[in-house]
Amino acid sequence: QQQVKQSPQSLIVQKGGISIINCAYENTAFDYFPWYQQFPGKGPALLIAIRPDVSEKKEGRFTISFNKSAKQFSLHIMDSQPGDSATYFCAATTAGGTSYGKLTFGQGTILTVHP
Amino acid sequence: NAGVMQNPRHLVRRRGQEARLRCSPMKGHSHVYWYRQLPEEGLKFMVYLQKENIIDESGMPKERFSAEFPKEGPSILRIQQVVRGDSAAYFCASSPDRKLSYGYTFGSGTRLTVV
Repeated sequence: QQQVKQSPQSLIVQKGGISIINCAYENTAFDYFPWYQQFPGKGPALLIAIRPDVSEKKEGRFTISFNKSAKQFSLHIMDSQPGDSATYFCAATTAGGTSYGKLTFGQGTILTVHP
Repeated sequence: NAGVMQNPRHLVRRRGQEARLRCSPMKGHSHVYWYRQLPEEGLKFMVYLQKENIIDESGMPKERFSAEFPKEGPSILRIQQVVRGDSAAYFCASSPDRKLSYGYTFGSGTRLTVV
């Protein structure tokens, strides 16, 4: 019940295209859903995050769509650039009450943006 | 602010040896989380520590693994009698408080190779 399932495993997109990565979770106690970007040899860096009280959050070219009833959320990268080539992880946690920052990660998506 | 510092960046150990991984949190951060990333997988939570206390070690293997975060100095993840299956990237994250916040920051990791 603690799993977060992420797809696809890898994604190839042309420059200027839209990259879409999907995640699904099971634990209904999760109430905070961040996305992380990881470059080779580096640690994950927070990209954007959403709480389930909104269905969409946009920051620049990055948008999270959230479907609470389906327990699914997705990352959309608009106008994808070669510099966006990295591994993307969705994650989930409980952020309220007595919780703390224990993250459950998806398996990761390797994004390659061709020039 | 130098960020979360992990060392060494790369560590090679022979089977049966001990591995000691260090994590110096960001200045002002007293909460540390350790995660393990196996090849082609997402990060898996191992342990959450506050200064001098282990709060949640539910992700730690029962044997050979231990963690500490002393009053002074870095947090240490210790793996005794390493085996090939311990080969992975180990990341720590630090946070200024118990709750997941935008201050939650990952280090660049230690890549452990057991030969």
